[in-house]
Amino acid sequence: IQMTQSPASVSASVGDRVTLTCRASQRITRSLNWYQQKPGKAPKFLIYGATSLQSGAPLRFSGSGAGTEFTLTITNLQPEDVGIYYCQQSYNSPWTFGQGTKVEIK
Amino acid sequence: QVELVESGGGVVQSGKSLRLSCGASGFTFSNYGMHWIRQAPGKGLEWVAVISFDGKYKYYSDSVKGRLTISRDNSKNSLFLQMSSLRAEDTAVYYCAKDVDSGTYSFDHWGQGTLVTVAS
Repeated sequence: IQMTQSPASVSASVGDRVTLTCRASQRITRSLNWYQQKPGKAPKFLIYGATSLQSGAPLRFSGSGAGTEFTLTITNLQPEDVGIYYCQQSYNSPWTFGQGTKVEIK
Repeated sequence: QVELVESGGGVVQSGKSLRLSCGASGFTFSNYGMHWIRQAPGKGLEWVAVISFDGKYKYYSDSVKGRLTISRDNSKNSLFLQMSSLRAEDTAVYYCAKDVDSGTYSFDHWGQGTLVTVAS
């Protein structure tokens, strides 16, 4: 299953609302996770099952979608949210990731 | 708290072998599936292999099948990746990651990674 993320990068101001998109090449129900990777660090688990926030993740992160189209929304963007965000399908093997969306602060 | 610590990376010649290890603590290791995921320099994430909680089931990406072997030792809370016939395209940071729950194929904790560089 191919995962395609858009945009490749986004630059927004602190306090803005940012929406990232992930599309699957076939239907994957809600078997979609989001990860945040800060520079030089391992990825961090953010959202699972398309919409559920991982324990400890900030409430300004939210996920939506089902089937083939999914979104990750960051409300009230903060400087510490800078990084690359990856989606990943957990529907079937091989468990594939999108190519990532880079989030920057203006 | 959950901690995963990879080791064993380094520079290796093309065609040679290398064994990566991942030590786990802070959870009941024998209850969870475990994965290896890699990231080539400046690139995205690529899932490599998974092993079931009991070691009975193993799955691999097509790009590594037949060359990389995942294994575990539950008595030592350790995960391994035996890498053979290494190629330049295997150069990457290798992360071990814990499954949220057996069979969910979602990665809730990651190690810091270990860099493998395959020199031609």
